[in-house]
Amino acid sequence: GAVVSQHPSRVICKSGTSVKIECRSLDFQATTMFWYRQFPKQSLMLMATSNEGSKATYEQGVEKDKFLINHASLTLSTLTVTSAHPEDSSFYICSARRMQVNYGYTFGSGTRLTVV
Amino acid sequence: TQLLEQSPQFLSIQEGENLTVYCNSSSVFSSLQWYRQEPGEGPVLLVTVVTGGEVKKLKRLTFQFGDARKDSSLHITAAQPGDTGLYLCAGGLEYGNKLVFGAGTILRVKS
Repeated sequence: GAVVSQHPSRVICKSGTSVKIECRSLDFQATTMFWYRQFPKQSLMLMATSNEGSKATYEQGVEKDKFLINHASLTLSTLTVTSAHPEDSSFYICSARRMQVNYGYTFGSGTRLTVV
Repeated sequence: TQLLEQSPQFLSIQEGENLTVYCNSSSVFSSLQWYRQEPGEGPVLLVTVVTGGEVKKLKRLTFQFGDARKDSSLHITAAQPGDTGLYLCAGGLEYGNKLVFGAGTILRVKS
């Protein structure tokens, strides 16, 4: 159990366009999901905490208007990269925290975004 | 400065050797998790430790949580090429539900 599906796994988009990444908890409910960004051979950097039914909490230095997060249900959170630029190219990973399970974080398989 | 200092950053060893990865902090964590990540994939949880002084073993991997819950170590015995990957420690802060990640250790085991 405890599977998180992240889609798409890879996406290439043109500069100036927007890209939406989906994160779904398949067999459990998640009131909280997290979005991370990872550069090659580096660790995960938390971008924002996504809370079901309320506004996301962004980490310092992360532009809210650029990285739009929506957590409309207990099983789905989306990250939209708006007006993408080449410097937004990165590996984006989501994780979901299982309700009633202490320390229960499950990660998606990541999305490789390339902006050309 | 990183809240969770992980070392070493890179480790290249021969098959059969032992190694230890460390994560240290001045903060107290409610839990400490270790993950392994392959290129192009998400992190996969190896273990969670929650009690100060706790030791957990997973085949050739031994995980320890410091008595004060501020540090942790991962020891691999007789490393194999299949152990190659990025190892990440992550601490759950006592207040809030975020995970704080260490910088990661890239391990390469040569045959």
